[in-house]
Amino acid sequence: GDSVTQMEGPVTLSEEAFLTINCTYTATGYPSLFWYVQYPGEGLQLLLKATKADDKGSNKGFEATYRKETTSFHLEKGSVQVSDSAVYFCAPRPSSASKIIFGSGTRLSIRP
Amino acid sequence: ETGVTQTPRHLVMGMTNKKSLKCEQHLGHNAMYWYKQSAKKPLELMFVYNFKEQTENNSVPSRFSPECPNSSHLFLHLHTLQPEDSALYLCASSPGQGAGEQYFGPGTRLTVT
Repeated sequence: GDSVTQMEGPVTLSEEAFLTINCTYTATGYPSLFWYVQYPGEGLQLLLKATKADDKGSNKGFEATYRKETTSFHLEKGSVQVSDSAVYFCAPRPSSASKIIFGSGTRLSIRP
Repeated sequence: ETGVTQTPRHLVMGMTNKKSLKCEQHLGHNAMYWYKQSAKKPLELMFVYNFKEQTENNSVPSRFSPECPNSSHLFLHLHTLQPEDSALYLCASSPGQGAGEQYFGPGTRLTVT
């Protein structure tokens, strides 16, 4: 069946460090891929998306590239800030289904 | 600012109470969703509505009763809940079921005592 696996947290980094959160998925067809972010006390917000192979989604300094050959959509940021502390969810939507599959979430904490 | 509002933001209720959660979206979307988010568990999809019609119920206990009077409003009626129902309840909307990304509200933090 369709599924998503993302890096377990928590991840703790110092400010200005490089961030990678790994995400791999299993889905039939050509899924759309999303990263959502949840800041403390809030709901989920769409961070970025990619809808076809080799597309790169980007927003707020975060990037992720749709890699069909490795079924991955890793989230990266070159220099994290304290304000990036949040929980990040990788979320594919299989083309054959209507619902988005949310990963378990990766909690990120950035030290000043 | 997501365009999806939820009230109340916090709710404490006893196991014999009846309460309702409200969600409203101002985005002109046609699909609406209820999710449950519990600590240390993945996000759980509970119900899906598309053009006011329920299209998905993921084996949710009958003590949770959804209502969707129009495409902009979604309710979750609660009665005789259990302590394990304590969680963050999130509402989301999308242009259509399976179309576009989902936009989430801030959630209602529910505590059942």
